[in-house]
Amino acid sequence: AQKVTQAQTEISVVEKEDVTLDCVYETRDTTYYLFWYKQPPSGELVFLIRRNSFDEQNEISGRYSWNFQKSTSSFNFTITASQVVDSAVYFCALSEAQSTNDYKLSFGAGTTVTVRA
Amino acid sequence: DGGITQSPKYLFRKEGQNVTLSCEQNLNHDAMYWYRQDPGQGLRLIYYSQIVNDFQKGDIAEGYSVSREKKESFPLTVTSAQKNPTAFYLCATHPSGLAGGLGEQYFGPGTRLTVT
Repeated sequence: AQKVTQAQTEISVVEKEDVTLDCVYETRDTTYYLFWYKQPPSGELVFLIRRNSFDEQNEISGRYSWNFQKSTSSFNFTITASQVVDSAVYFCALSEAQSTNDYKLSFGAGTTVTVRA
Repeated sequence: DGGITQSPKYLFRKEGQNVTLSCEQNLNHDAMYWYRQDPGQGLRLIYYSQIVNDFQKGDIAEGYSVSREKKESFPLTVTSAQKNPTAFYLCATHPSGLAGGLGEQYFGPGTRLTVT
């Protein structure tokens, strides 16, 4: 079963528009982390944000913000005033304990964001 | 420079040949991971190692092998038994191994393997 679902395959916007990326996760653990990673055309994954399961406070960091709702198992990510450099594939990921000493990341399929000038 | 090195960036092989992908880190991280990425798909875990001389299979280990003889190095061998080896391979690390760690992993630049 898919643990992390990113329903949006591709999003295309014009520069300065806001972009919201959806992520729905599935876990039985009470303690887990959620992440957003960015993969630019170069291929390397860049860590963006992290949220633990006990902290549902939504935050803003520069042009990035996220909305974590445990009630709906969602962890959505918004880029405000998008720029061409934001064009990339964005991955949502879930870290949960498979056992006491075994931690793995489960990734969604990714959302390709294209920002047009 | 601290970081994760994967070499080479592009690798070409003939079908039937084994090939070893390199992953080196100087972050002093305990845990290391290998992922495979195919177009339109997320990352899938191949193997991981939480401590030297120990490693576990991930979700798609068939046709791959690894070793962890040194903390800094976690090479991945793609064997001829892997039916569809052409993909983008990413190595990652995490500070905590057996001590536990739900936090973020750090990724290398990746190796794009093409087998014809």
